[in-house]
Amino acid sequence: AQTVTQSQPEMSVQEAETVTLSCTYDTSESDYYLFWYKQPPSRQMILVIRQEAYKQQNATENRFSVNFQKAAKSFSLKISDSQLGDAAMYFCAYRSVRDSNYQLIWGAGTKLIIKP
Amino acid sequence: ETGVTQSPTHLIKTRGQQVTLRCSSQSGHNTVSWYQQALGQGPQFIFQYYREEENGRGNFPPRFSGLQFPNYSSELNVNALELDDSALYLCASSFGVTSGQETQYFGPGTRLLVL
Repeated sequence: AQTVTQSQPEMSVQEAETVTLSCTYDTSESDYYLFWYKQPPSRQMILVIRQEAYKQQNATENRFSVNFQKAAKSFSLKISDSQLGDAAMYFCAYRSVRDSNYQLIWGAGTKLIIKP
Repeated sequence: ETGVTQSPTHLIKTRGQQVTLRCSSQSGHNTVSWYQQALGQGPQFIFQYYREEENGRGNFPPRFSGLQFPNYSSELNVNALELDDSALYLCASSFGVTSGQETQYFGPGTRLLVL
């Protein structure tokens, strides 16, 4: 079974600086999708970025980028120019392309604190 | 385009009672997935509905059941509530299930407290 591990329960960063959140996963599959979701205090899970495993190029979305290391099964999220609105829980998630229900398998989350 | 909505936002029940949570999918989406998120943890997959049929289920007992309606909205029913059922229940909608590329979009969740 696939598992997702986020080893940093909490991270803090100064506003305008860069922070990297770690995620590792375990799978025997070669094709899958990885996601970073953000969950602010409002509780709504918001998609930050998505990576297809067959793509070697790292995904980017404005200030958010990933470092996808397939062989190491690592999928870290880099947030540049951190803003107060980035404060939230960040969850890494995995999805197989073989399971018919395509359920998301989640890490335990990292709480990101932005210091003004 | 309307997003995913859930009702109610909060709910308090007592042990042994039954509860129904509702989810309206995003416009154009035909698939709904339900997740349970205990405090301080990541979500756990309960089940998924695609075109009114259950399309997969996580490791949850049969007292967790669901429905999807012709307009693709969905209900999660939990019978014989237990204290451990206290959690945030998240609904996510997406379009299709065949390619695996479909991104799931989440509602704001229903916070259930079982006393």
